[in-house]
Amino acid sequence: QKEVEQNSGPLSVPEGAIASLNCTYSDRGSQSFFWYRQYSGKSPELIMFIYSNGDKEDGRFTAQLNKASQYVSLLIRDSQPSDSATYLCAVIGSGTGGFKTIFGAGTRLFVKA
Amino acid sequence: GAGVSQSPRYKVAKRGQDVALRCDPISGHVSLFWYQQALGQGPEFLTYFQNEAQLDKSGLPSDRFFAERPEGSVSTLKIQRTQQEDSAVYLCASSFREAAEAFFGQGTRLTVV
Repeated sequence: QKEVEQNSGPLSVPEGAIASLNCTYSDRGSQSFFWYRQYSGKSPELIMFIYSNGDKEDGRFTAQLNKASQYVSLLIRDSQPSDSATYLCAVIGSGTGGFKTIFGAGTRLFVKA
Repeated sequence: GAGVSQSPRYKVAKRGQDVALRCDPISGHVSLFWYQQALGQGPEFLTYFQNEAQLDKSGLPSDRFFAERPEGSVSTLKIQRTQQEDSAVYLCASSFREAAEAFFGQGTRLTVV
């Protein structure tokens, strides 16, 4: 079992719809959770972070965390073609060697105009 | 500097050649991470520094890979006797404290021929 799992997609949604991206993680001691966006040929760019159970909203983006279920999600409202990218879920665990950030393989999102 | 800077951006190495990849993190950031990203995959953790201390090197694929951060700022990832399977994008990221969000450089694309 990988430490951070995501559906690879592609996830295709029409412009203006809500895109829902999901992620599960294996380390129950994980304490910090991040969503990065990566355009083709570019490096990952941080879009959201969440530390506590519940929802966190930032503009069109909402991150949701459920530590009991070891589940984190990202909702993108009013999806735009410019949102088409790979979305990476990242988790910081509580390893004995410090706090390394582990990434999922990413979900490719296509927003159709 | 304003962001994480990596050099070179592109490197072509002949099989068996040694290479050195440089990362200059955001000023004041204490944590520094190296990742390897293959095409279509998420970033795979290689190693992690807290200041000059290498706290975790569990992701280094073999003893041909070596990383250092002697003064707690600039880091170098060295790959000895490069192999074709080393071809990937090498990403460096830094964060201002432990368990905080990380910011990425533009990466070094290594091609071993």
